Amino acid sequence: GESVGLHLPTLSVQEGDNSIINCAYSNSASDYFIWYKQESGKGPQFIIDIRSNMDKRQGQRVTVLLNKTVKHLSLQIAATQPGDSAVYFCAENRMKTSYDKVIFGPGTSLSVIP
Amino acid sequence: DGGITQSPKYLFRKEGQNVTLSCEQNLNHDAMYWYRQDPGQGLRLIYYSQIVNDFQKGDIAEGYSVSREKKESFPLTVTSAQKNPTAFYLCASSDPRGLGYTFGSGTRLTVV
Repeated sequence: GESVGLHLPTLSVQEGDNSIINCAYSNSASDYFIWYKQESGKGPQFIIDIRSNMDKRQGQRVTVLLNKTVKHLSLQIAATQPGDSAVYFCAENRMKTSYDKVIFGPGTSLSVIP
Repeated sequence: DGGITQSPKYLFRKEGQNVTLSCEQNLNHDAMYWYRQDPGQGLRLIYYSQIVNDFQKGDIAEGYSVSREKKESFPLTVTSAQKNPTAFYLCASSDPRGLGYTFGSGTRLTVV
C-alpha cells in the first residue's frame, strides 16, 4: 500500500547551519505534499506545501524540493535556529480525487545545538 | 480568528470508563478528522467525517466512537473497549479534498 516515510527519525544540527529533512513517498498518484512542524505538546502546524506540477517552492527560511522521478520530498531550513527544534512531518494527498485521506509520514525530530 | 479548539488539554480516565474529547472548528470546513499519536510515532487515523451526519472508520477505529451532528463539532468518545487509550489525540479539519488541513492543539489522555 502507499506510505510516506522519512529517512531519518532524528537529526541534530548546529545553530546557524542549514537543515535538510527528507521524505520518501510511494504513490505516484499523489499530487499535493505538505510539511508540518510539531512542537512538544502541541498540534502540527502547516509550514509549506507543494503541488506536483512544481519541483521547488520557497517560503521564509524554508524550501521544499520535490523529485517525482524518485518520489522524494525534502524540506530545507536555512540558518537553523533553536526555535526550529521540533518534529517535522511530511504528508501526501491526491487532489484529483473528490476526497482522499492525507497520509502522514512518521516524522523526523530536529534538534538544534546552540 | 478561525481555528480548531480541542478540550480538555489533559484528561484522566479510570479503567472501564468512557470519556469524550471535544473538537470544535469555525473554519467552515466540511471534513474533520481524529488522529492518535503515540510517543515517537506518526499520526494514525481513528475516524473521519466528510459531511454532517456521516463518518467513516480510519485505520484504528476499534474502541472509539464519533458523531457529527453539526458541521462545527466532531466529538470523539474513547470507550472502555479501547485497551490502550493513553495517547495524544489530535483533531483536524480540511476542505473536502484535504486541502487547508488544520490541527487543534491536542488532548493528552491518560488512564489512571
